[in-house]
Amino acid sequence: DQQVKQNSPSLSVQEGRISILNCDYTNSMFDYFLWYKKYPAEGPTFLISISSIKDKNEDGRFTVFLNKSAKHLSLHIVPSQPGDSAVYFCAASEWSTLTFGKGTMLLVSP
Amino acid sequence: KAGVTQTPRYLIKTRGQQVTLSCSPISGHRSVSWYQQTPGQGLQFLFEYFSETQRNKGNFPGRFSGRQFSNSRSEMNVSTLELGDSALYLCASSLAGTEKLFFGSGTQLSVL
Repeated sequence: DQQVKQNSPSLSVQEGRISILNCDYTNSMFDYFLWYKKYPAEGPTFLISISSIKDKNEDGRFTVFLNKSAKHLSLHIVPSQPGDSAVYFCAASEWSTLTFGKGTMLLVSP
Repeated sequence: KAGVTQTPRYLIKTRGQQVTLSCSPISGHRSVSWYQQTPGQGLQFLFEYFSETQRNKGNFPGRFSGRQFSNSRSEMNVSTLELGDSALYLCASSLAGTEKLFFGSGTQLSVL
């Protein structure tokens, strides 16, 4: 049973607009959440994270929101740039072991 | 500071063979984790090693095994390869007690 779900396999956005990537989880023991970005033929790279005691964390163009009651987190990218086109993985941590979603492919068109 | 290094980058094997993949973590990182990535399945956790001890294991058959050496370098082994083992195998290292993983570029394994 999938504990971390990214229900949108893909997302297309125009350059300059906002990209919103969503992630749902089922395990209430998850206490830390991360987003990773992956380009083809490369390993995932860390993007941004949030602790379960917070509801928002911001880093430049990237903001992660956490809604614990809904077991939902989202990644906002504003403004989106063509270089943001990649696969984005949501991950949740329990006892420092990460469980990943299946990823969402983001395509930002000029 | 050098990143996580995985060798080889590509491997082609036939069913029934065995394979060993290697991972050198970032200097100072003592925790090494292995993940399998297949199309449509995302990243699935294989196992994690810390100070030469397996600390956690995912839901994979016993054909998948690993080890960690005293210098924190790690290897994973897959015996009796099956077609379904074709995947990108990713190694990640981290500082002890942190969730932030640093990934290598992976080893692409193709089983024919």
